[in-house]
Amino acid sequence: DAKTTQPPSMDCAEGRAANLPCNHSTISGNEYVYWYRQIHSQGPQYIIHGLKNNETNEMASLIITEDRKSSTLILPHATLRDTAVYYCIVRVDDTGNQFYFGTGTSLTVIP
Amino acid sequence: EAGVAQSPRYKIIEKRQSVAFWCNPISGHATLYWYQQILGQGPKLLIQFQNNGVVDDSQLPKDRFSAERLKGVDSTLKIQPAKLEDSAVYLCASSLGQGSYEQYFGPGTRLTVT
Repeated sequence: DAKTTQPPSMDCAEGRAANLPCNHSTISGNEYVYWYRQIHSQGPQYIIHGLKNNETNEMASLIITEDRKSSTLILPHATLRDTAVYYCIVRVDDTGNQFYFGTGTSLTVIP
Repeated sequence: EAGVAQSPRYKIIEKRQSVAFWCNPISGHATLYWYQQILGQGPKLLIQFQNNGVVDDSQLPKDRFSAERLKGVDSTLKIQPAKLEDSAVYLCASSLGQGSYEQYFGPGTRLTVT
């Protein structure tokens, strides 16, 4: 599976949109982009995933560039409870391939 | 729906001692994972079960770590003997199947080896 690059940390004001970037320049055509987050002292939690189209669910939006070499996770109205480490992962879907969690981006939402 | 249960939540042992962790996955989930998360790093997969069979244990230090899922439900992870570098959070996760996009994680067991 391809590797990803994320900034180590970011801050965001409460109520504003949080935009978390991820670079996956070596992604293969059949690899999906996944986002998980890990709140302190908890296990990771699935947020969203996509292949090439933008995706939106109740938690977030995922914007994937046309060349698929990068993506952005958007939390539209960040709250203090969104403070967490966010992991961007690429993986071939519908296989038993494991998720490779990197070090992620530590997002701090500031009141 | 009950989540993934793990016990104990915390464990402190001395090096060279043995320790075991228990995991009860979400009912009906065929795939079970054990991860090791060292402070400041992301989780690293140790072993993956599909029902009671091992799918991937390539990153499991087999000289000291062992895991089983005898009846395809609960699982135990054992370390014998423990080393200082085994200090970490051990996370259990489950999913409906191998290709599932969503893994459900338990709260983890924080192990400290002194």
